Amino acid sequence: GAVVSQHPSRVICKSGTSVKIECRSLDFQATTMFWYRQFPKQSLMLMATSNEGSKATYEQGVEKDKFLINHASLTLSTLTVTSAHPEDSSFYICSARASQTSSEQYFGPGTRLTVT
Amino acid sequence: GESVGLHLPTLSVQEGDNSIINCAYSNSASDYFIWYKQESGKGPQFIIDIRSNMDKRQGQRVTVLLNKTVKHLSLQIAATQPGDSAVYFCAENLENTGNQFYFGTGTSLTVIP
Repeated sequence: GAVVSQHPSRVICKSGTSVKIECRSLDFQATTMFWYRQFPKQSLMLMATSNEGSKATYEQGVEKDKFLINHASLTLSTLTVTSAHPEDSSFYICSARASQTSSEQYFGPGTRLTVT
Repeated sequence: GESVGLHLPTLSVQEGDNSIINCAYSNSASDYFIWYKQESGKGPQFIIDIRSNMDKRQGQRVTVLLNKTVKHLSLQIAATQPGDSAVYFCAENLENTGNQFYFGTGTSLTVIP
C-alpha cells in the first residue's frame, strides 16, 4: 500500500515551453502533497505544499507563477513548469500524506526534467 | 532545519562492516525525524523514524540514535551489503510548520564488495 506515482518519469522540452508533471496517490487519498526539486548530488529542497482544494503554499524563493501547482482531487496534484529554461532542469519529486494528523509521507519515483 | 544545497559527503565501507551515517539538524523544535534512502534516479525510500521522546530506535539491520542535546542523528547499518549503496538523507519535521519535512545534506554510501 501507500504507492505514489509520477508521470512522466522523464521529459525533455525546449526552452520557453511549459511542462506538466503529475503526482498520483494510487491506493490512498492524499490530503496534502509536497513538491521537491533535487539538483545532482544535492539534497531535496521543498518547493511547495499542496492541499486539496486550496492554493499551494510556496517556500521562500520559489516563484508561484513559474511553478504552478494544482491539487484538484485527493489523488492528484500537478506541477506545471511554465516557460521552462535550462536552469529549471532538475529532478522533481512529489510526496503525499494520507492524513492531516500523520507525519508519514510517501514519495513518488521522481521526474527528470531536461530543458534544452 | 531547511535543506541546504551542499554537495554530498561520501562514505565507503567494506561489505559486511557496519556503517554509521551522521546528520546534524539545526532546529531544536523539531520533534520527528526520518531517515530515507535514495537510489540513483529514484525517489526517497523510508528506512526508519524516531520521535524526540526517544533516544534510540531499532529496525531490521538499522538503528537510529538521536542526541537532542547536540541536535544530532545517526543511522547505523549493520553488516552493510552492496544493496545498501545509496544516498541517505535525514529529514526533520518542524512542529509549527504544518508537517513539512526538511531534508539534510545527505551522505552517499558506497559498499565495496
